[in-house]
Amino acid sequence: AQSVTQLGSHVSVSEGALVLLRCNYSSSVPPYLFWYVQYPNQGLQLLLKYTTGATLVKGINGFEAEFKKSETSFHLTKPSAHMSDAAEYFCAVSDGVMGYQKVTFGTGTKLQVIP
Amino acid sequence: NAGVMQNPRHLVRRRGQEARLRCSPMKGHSHVYWYRQLPEEGLKFMVYLQKENIIDESGMPKERFSAEFPKEGPSILRIQQVVRGDSAAYFCASSPAGGREQYFGPGTRLTVT
Repeated sequence: AQSVTQLGSHVSVSEGALVLLRCNYSSSVPPYLFWYVQYPNQGLQLLLKYTTGATLVKGINGFEAEFKKSETSFHLTKPSAHMSDAAEYFCAVSDGVMGYQKVTFGTGTKLQVIP
Repeated sequence: NAGVMQNPRHLVRRRGQEARLRCSPMKGHSHVYWYRQLPEEGLKFMVYLQKENIIDESGMPKERFSAEFPKEGPSILRIQQVVRGDSAAYFCASSPAGGREQYFGPGTRLTVT
């Protein structure tokens, strides 16, 4: 079984400050990990993904995440927040155990950027 | 290459009516997934389909909900006799065979009055 825990349903940062959104996962096999962003009344857009290889993954809009197996974490960071980053962010995991990619999502973190 | 298409984008139904949600996967994608997002919650897996086959429906409510992905045409998520608790955003995603990433549509927002 797989699961995702996102710490903090709401995070506020000042414009220009570091963004850190936390995600811990549970998986019985090496996981695939994803971060998605959702703007109000829109669908999900993939920010970045980890499958295998380099543990530091760079995504769109200046975001990156690091896969830490020992900590079962996949935290999302961005050095400097922009007003346009205000959105809801979902961490997700899939393990392919079922023979296909059944994705389990976290409950989401709403990011507020304060001018 | 068009992305995943869902229609309608917004759907209003009275209690007891039927809701039909459509999803056209990306070109070349043969796998479709449906998710439901309740207000203030994350996405919950409902069902996974390949052409003409339901592979995993473990997330589907036992009653009133059904899904299909026919050989021709879009995938359909059907909700019979809708209740207020069915009000949610329903997202479809698609992937190619063996694909490790799912591509999401814009969602259908169902409101039951």
